[in-house]
Amino acid sequence: KNQVEQSPQSLIILEGKNCTLQCNYTVSPFSNLRWYKQDTGRGPVSLTIMTFSENTKSNGRYTATLDADTKQSSLHITASQLSDSASYICVVAIYGQNFVFGPGTRLSVLP
Amino acid sequence: SAVISQKPSRDICQRGTSLTIQCQVDSQVTMMFWYRQQPGQSLTLIATANQGSEATYESGFVIDKFPISRPNLTFSTLTVSNMSPEDSSIYLCSARTGGENYGYTFGSGTRLTVV
Repeated sequence: KNQVEQSPQSLIILEGKNCTLQCNYTVSPFSNLRWYKQDTGRGPVSLTIMTFSENTKSNGRYTATLDADTKQSSLHITASQLSDSASYICVVAIYGQNFVFGPGTRLSVLP
Repeated sequence: SAVISQKPSRDICQRGTSLTIQCQVDSQVTMMFWYRQQPGQSLTLIATANQGSEATYESGFVIDKFPISRPNLTFSTLTVSNMSPEDSSIYLCSARTGGENYGYTFGSGTRLTVV
């Protein structure tokens, strides 16, 4: 069964601190993996996309990693800001088909 | 990647009425999708909007309740019919952006409250 799991479900950190969000998937055949940021009441916005041959991708303070062997990905946020408070959704594309969405991690950054 | 304009951004509606949500893409896209996201939950796919044919609905969603139009490759509408408070949710459209590393681009969402 194609599934995407994320942990933790929610996370609270202080402004300026780093954090890492996890994504495990059992999707086959794998095409690519994206991390989305969704602000409350808004549509998701893509942060990174990685294919199986890529193991690291950065976008500013966001760095995503992918281990295609263990089917795990992480999203590392450096020097968090209040505006990083959002849900972060891991989405895995099934080759030639649709996507499987993870449940998301709700991040709250406090001053 | 494609840009999607979705409207309205929010609405408060009376029960029993209907609301039509529109999504306009700035380029032609083959596949468009409609999602519902209830508070604190992840996205749930309602249907795939097919150009020139009827939409394909996921289990638990029916055409009478969520009629969809897709008149061309840049536009789609979702109507939430005969609304009840249980329909209060965020509705999102998305388009599959092509290329080797295809992905989804999302509209900004419609926050619907049914009273």
